[in-house]
Amino acid sequence: EVQLVESGGGLVQPGGSLRLSCAASTFTFSAYWMHWVRQVPGKGLEWVSSLNGDGSATRYADSVKGRFTISRDNARNTVFLQMTSLRADDTAVYYCARESRLPVAEKVFDYWGQGTLVTVSS
Amino acid sequence: QSVLTQPPSVSGAPGQRVTISCTGSSSNIGAPYDVNWYQQLPGTAPKLLVYSNSNRPSGVPDRFSGSKSGTSGSLAISGLQPEDEADYYCQSHDSSLRAYVFGTGTKVTVL
Repeated sequence: EVQLVESGGGLVQPGGSLRLSCAASTFTFSAYWMHWVRQVPGKGLEWVSSLNGDGSATRYADSVKGRFTISRDNARNTVFLQMTSLRADDTAVYYCARESRLPVAEKVFDYWGQGTLVTVSS
Repeated sequence: QSVLTQPPSVSGAPGQRVTISCTGSSSNIGAPYDVNWYQQLPGTAPKLLVYSNSNRPSGVPDRFSGSKSGTSGSLAISGLQPEDEADYYCQSHDSSLRAYVFGTGTKVTVL
């Protein structure tokens, strides 16, 4: 069974930095686009960032562009999200998700991790 | 902030059929990008329910069905069961924003 396990969340002051990790297992990690999606507690889902299989193509939501950096280590089957200049409105549960390669599937997330909570507060 | 609009809540008695709409625009669902649906049970991560408008991953009951027409998508739950009580989100891609976009979310309550 595909597993995605996030870590690295916690409490950080405004303006601070944090690096999230997502460890993947039981699939050919380097073949998949990987994403970060966040959810403010009690609110909806917001796509944050994505990265292709070899790490050569990245995408970011406008709300995090210039502050967050997505990367991956295919030898360790891990994707990262480096977050800097954090603001109170970055407070959320951050999920990593795999983009499906199912036949006819298009830009769909087929597996999600359990999430890690990031709280930005003084 | 969400570019896909869903009703905040729908409800039904066990065994009934409920539908959830997802309204987009010509830059996402009407582009045409596919509509995908996720179920989020309380305190858990989202789970893929329907992909590419009307396809179900293995293990998803056939009580769940999806469709798309023009700039809107729809999720139907037939034979509503207590365990279907959850939040449901639609998702697509937007060519103008160059971003993956989610719906506002719908809470399904089983009466």
